[in-house]
Amino acid sequence: GEDVEQSLFLSVREGDSSVINCTYTDSSSTYLYWYKQEPGAGLQLLTYIFSNMDMKQDQRLTVLLNKKDKHLSLRIADTQTGDSAIYFCAESKGNFNKFYFGSGTKLNVKP
Amino acid sequence: DAGITQSPRYKITETGRQVTLMCHQTWSHSYMFWYRQDLGHGLRLIYYSAAADITDKGEVSDGYVVSRSKTENFPLTLESATRSQTSVYFCASRGTVDTEAFFGQGTRLTVV
Repeated sequence: GEDVEQSLFLSVREGDSSVINCTYTDSSSTYLYWYKQEPGAGLQLLTYIFSNMDMKQDQRLTVLLNKKDKHLSLRIADTQTGDSAIYFCAESKGNFNKFYFGSGTKLNVKP
Repeated sequence: DAGITQSPRYKITETGRQVTLMCHQTWSHSYMFWYRQDLGHGLRLIYYSAAADITDKGEVSDGYVVSRSKTENFPLTLESATRSQTSVYFCASRGTVDTEAFFGQGTRLTVV
């Protein structure tokens, strides 16, 4: 909703790196988030980045933020079959800092 | 149990019927949200609430109503269900404006 955009599908081989991209709309968004949804489940927060940061690393996850281009990416190193899921980026903006989500990227990891 | 729970998990209803989806959270979070998830659209905001008795519409609110008489509960009602409201519905809550949102497990609603 609200024009947070992601590509719909990504397929990688086990052990490779995955990069999921997102463009968001509001340069004043304070936090940007990555959520993971496994089949039949709700969304779980994977990581987030504060808008004054360019990069955040958390174990196998690296988030890059380009505020000028309003571009956010999530890199998963050494992708495993358990990483197969739908990944949503989200920005928090407007009254009450509501969450606006992208359409989700379905990551398929082939053994 | 601590957390955010939705009920029912699955519901089949007929066109024209009124349906209420329940959401309950145990953290006393101020902010609560309802989203629907449809293929190709991601999650779209239906309604949100900043506190008890404070609610407002999201981007796809037509045909839905909410109430929030108690902080912990945020029921979503479909006044007269239509087939286009077949979807997976997620409730979420957050404590403050900049913290993460916690999601329920979802309710899969089918309108026949």
